[in-house]
Amino acid sequence: QQQVRQSPQSLTVWEGETAILNCSYEDSTFNYFPWYQQFPGEGPALLISIRSVSDKKEDGRFTIFFNKREKKLSLHITDSQPGDSATYFCAASYSNYQLIWGSGTKLIIKP
Amino acid sequence: DMKVTQMPRYLIKRMGENVLLECGQDMSHETMYWYRQDPGLGLQLIYISYDVDSNSEGDIPKGYRVSRKKREHFSLILDSAKTNQTSVYFCASSEGQGSYEQYFGPGTRLTVL
Repeated sequence: QQQVRQSPQSLTVWEGETAILNCSYEDSTFNYFPWYQQFPGEGPALLISIRSVSDKKEDGRFTIFFNKREKKLSLHITDSQPGDSATYFCAASYSNYQLIWGSGTKLIIKP
Repeated sequence: DMKVTQMPRYLIKRMGENVLLECGQDMSHETMYWYRQDPGLGLQLIYISYDVDSNSEGDIPKGYRVSRKKREHFSLILDSAKTNQTSVYFCASSEGQGSYEQYFGPGTRLTVL
């Protein structure tokens, strides 16, 4: 049972455009949602996270939009750069429960 | 310096051989994890360790076992490796579960022939 779903599986955008990565979840008790970024040949690294009490979290060019009612969130990357090309994982958790991971979105930024 | 190390980085084994993957962390984190990553499947949790000799099965523990005798060191063992265990294995550590950031190692690419 896949509790965290990501779409699209892969996404290609031009440099300077906004990339939008989507994530949805099933368990309404989830209250913590991190996004991890993974470059080829490396392990994932925390990029940005949000808690369910907020509907938006911004960090530079990266913004999470969170819709609790629809159990959806999205990661917006504005002014996309070739260095943003990576795989992005959405995950979810609550309290001390383990992180539940999505299957990832591979993002390619074309110069 | 917050770091998770994994050894070896690349490993080729024959079916039926035993495999030992090693992970170390220098952050004194209580919680450590072993994941495997396959294309299109994201990260699958194999085992989680809450501290020395306190380990729990994750989502896909079959065919694997772990050992944690020191807080900074966590091993993954494959007894009699199978070809379907060919994958990239990641170790991670965190202060705790849930909303604590997980720090990942660089991964071990294991090929079982």
